[in-house]
Amino acid sequence: AQSVTQPDIHITVSEGASLELRCNYSYGATPYLFWYVQSPGQGLQLLLKYFSGDTLVQGIKGFEAEFKRSQSSFNLRKPSVHWSDAAEYFCAVGFIQGAQKLVFGQGTRLTINP
Amino acid sequence: GAGVSQSPRYKVAKRGQDVALRCDPISGHVSLFWYQQALGQGPEFLTYFQNEAQLDKSGLPSDRFFAERPEGSVSTLKIQRTQQEDSAVYLCASSGRDSTYEQYFGPGTRLTVT
Repeated sequence: AQSVTQPDIHITVSEGASLELRCNYSYGATPYLFWYVQSPGQGLQLLLKYFSGDTLVQGIKGFEAEFKRSQSSFNLRKPSVHWSDAAEYFCAVGFIQGAQKLVFGQGTRLTINP
Repeated sequence: GAGVSQSPRYKVAKRGQDVALRCDPISGHVSLFWYQQALGQGPEFLTYFQNEAQLDKSGLPSDRFFAERPEGSVSTLKIQRTQQEDSAVYLCASSGRDSTYEQYFGPGTRLTVT
């Protein structure tokens, strides 16, 4: 079955520290991959996307993500977090065969310690 | 340019009432999606339009849920005889002709059924 897993429900890091949020998917081929960020009371903002090609993709706000086919993963990284990065982060996957919808992970809530 | 807009932003309904939620997609976007986001969860797909055609409604949880996009632009999600389990944030997203999967989200409508 096609599924998306974000293993970490809540992560706390100190301001200035590095960050890695995990995302794994279950699918027989390479899907389209996305990371979204959601601040309280807001909609989802697209951080970055992977369709094909270079497996390291750059996004907005200093984020990057790396697609690893062997691990079925698309982890989000940032070298130095800022207090404004505190939010909920969602990994989303477009499984190419079939419906045009996105399937989302359950999200990782990021807290930043000053 | 203007993003996806949704109205109302907040809606409180008594159990059994009908509600209508509106979505204005990004101008020129042919694809429109509705998602439901329960508290503490990732968004879940409800339905998908390409222009005025509803191509996928597999995510609608019951026949009380109905969506339309009669002129291929604005869309309305209607919920009849609301139940407490319908309480959630309803997100609308749109995407352009080049990439259906690259979806841009509105701020959502928070529905509370009392």
